[in-house]
Amino acid sequence: GQSLEQPSEVTAVEGAIVQINCTYQTSGFYGLSWYQQHDGGAPTFLSYNALDGLEETGRFSSFLSRSDSYGYLLLQELQMKDSASYFCAADTGTASKLTFGTGTRLQVTL
Amino acid sequence: NAGVTQTPKFRVLKTGQSMTLLCAQDMNHEYMYWYRQDPGMGLRLIHYSVGEGTTAKGEVPDGYNVSRLKKQNFLLGLESAAPSQTSVYFCASSPLPSGGVNNEQFFGPGTRLTVL
Repeated sequence: GQSLEQPSEVTAVEGAIVQINCTYQTSGFYGLSWYQQHDGGAPTFLSYNALDGLEETGRFSSFLSRSDSYGYLLLQELQMKDSASYFCAADTGTASKLTFGTGTRLQVTL
Repeated sequence: NAGVTQTPKFRVLKTGQSMTLLCAQDMNHEYMYWYRQDPGMGLRLIHYSVGEGTTAKGEVPDGYNVSRLKKQNFLLGLESAAPSQTSVYFCASSPLPSGGVNNEQFFGPGTRLTVL
């Protein structure tokens, strides 16, 4: 089967750094994606790691270790607008299908 | 560009009724997907399509049918709605992979369906 595990909730202070971990167990793995979803909104793409290592996009970075079946999303200089749910998703290769984790709800406080 | 659009935005059905959800994309994407999202859950793939005239089952296909007669449209049908199908339904589209670097999926705004 396919499963991705991530913490259900994380709380952090504005301006801080937070890391959201994701461990996966999938049959057929091509890469790991991260999506952001605000309450009542649609998921929006943040990053995709096909290779091991760190990918940086502005305040957000994403890391992948294939040997450990593990990845994380790093959010720096947190802002109130970063309060949202974050989903990791495994790309299983066929038709770019994604298997999503259950999501991590990030609450940014003052 | 409108991106991915979905109609309707909200719908309430009675058990046993049928309905069709419409998804349209104007980005000329080959791949299209239908997901459902239940409270506190991730998205689960219902059906997907790799091109016009093709459909395939995803993780939770039972009780749903799909059609992709035109490249830009992907329809999701519920023939006999059940309360267990109360959910938020998202459509997404994706271009063909380019060098395996990026497989971004573009999501529509969602349809909130309640089955009584």
